[in-house]
This record gives sequence, C-alpha cells and structure tokens, in this order.
Amino acid sequence: DTAVSQTPKYLVTQMGNDKSIKCEQNLGHDTMYWYKQDSKKFLKIMFSYNNKELIINETVPNRFSPKSPDKAHLNLHINSLELGDSAVYFCASSQDFGPQPQHFGDGTRLSIL
Amino acid sequence: QKEVEQNSGPLSVPEGAIASLNCTYSDRGSQSFFWYRQYSGKSPELIMFIYSNGDKEDGRFTAQLNKASQYVSLLIRDSQPSDSATYLCAVSAGGTSYGKLTFGQGTILTVHP
Repeated sequence: DTAVSQTPKYLVTQMGNDKSIKCEQNLGHDTMYWYKQDSKKFLKIMFSYNNKELIINETVPNRFSPKSPDKAHLNLHINSLELGDSAVYFCASSQDFGPQPQHFGDGTRLSIL
Repeated sequence: QKEVEQNSGPLSVPEGAIASLNCTYSDRGSQSFFWYRQYSGKSPELIMFIYSNGDKEDGRFTAQLNKASQYVSLLIRDSQPSDSATYLCAVSAGGTSYGKLTFGQGTILTVHP
C-alpha cells in the first residue's frame, strides 16, 4: 500500500484553467504538506495542515487554495493557471507538526500549455 | 544569503570511494536536520536525520552536525552506482516555525564504476 498517494500523476492543461490535485495518506499522521519543486529542483513549502487546521501558509498566490476534509486528505486547488505554475507538486505527511521526518508522495507533474 | 546552502555540484566519485556532501544553514535556532535522496523523476526519500551535535551512523551513511558552525554533512562510504541521485539537505526552523522544513538546492552525486 502506498503511504502517501497523489492523483493525478501528470496534469497537462491550458493557461487560465482551474485544476485540482488530491493527496491521501494512510500512515495515520496528523500533519500534511504541499511543496512545489521548480525546474531547478528547488523544493519549497507552500502549505501545511495539522489535524485539518492550516498552520503554514507561505507567500503563495491566492489562486492556490488547499483544503483538508480530514486529517488523511489534503487537496490543492489552483485557479486561473499560469505558465509559471508549471512544476512538480509534492504532498508530504509527518507524525505531527514538529521537527519530524516527512514522507513524500510521488508528485504531480503540472504542465501549462 | 540563502537559508540552506549545499555545496555546488555535481559531485562525481568512483565506486567504492567516500562521497562527502555538505550543507550550511543561516538560522541559528534550527532544531533538526534531514538528508533526503531524490532519484531523477522520483520523490524525495528520507535517508538520515540528526538532532544533536556529533555523528550519527546508519549503515554506509554518516550524518555529522556542528551547530556552532551551522554545518551539517552526509558521508556515504563505499559509494555505489545506485547512490547516484540528488541529495537534499533540509533544516527544521526554530521558534514557532519549528515544523517547517527549508530545503537546500540539492547536490547531484554521480558514482561511476
């Protein structure tokens, strides 16, 4: 069983569209994260939820909106996609919010045409 | 100054040699330090974490931490071609952001037969 799973794995879409990426973890962790990895492989935190509560909200355009229906799920919705949004988006989870090891999903490669 | 900086690569070592990967960080209050390995097209995979000054060994991997110098390193002994990957240093912030990981830009390691 995959510990942290994301769907879809690939997403190719036009500028201006709205899309969502879903993430689920079966590790029983309390904290989940969204990261963006750009073309230079730089991995940067976007959001973090602990028990469905938003605790990290980095400087991200408000076109990006995370939603956590329960502590096992964290989805990312992106409105009005732009060329600069092309990247790999990783979901991760950790036991709780603290200096804990984080476990990553396989990533979603988003390409904007 | 970047918050987390890794030695510029790529780093190329022969099979069987010791690979040394270095990382410095700017936040003196940082609590925890992680090394992730990322194969091309794959997700980051945790290989080591260290919280206290000194060395921590796990198989062929040794993490070294010197908080006074704000320096953490990863040594890979008896390097194998399968160790060829990008190695990411991640630092957990101090204070109220202590659950937030900041990643370095990564060092590409190539182990040649």
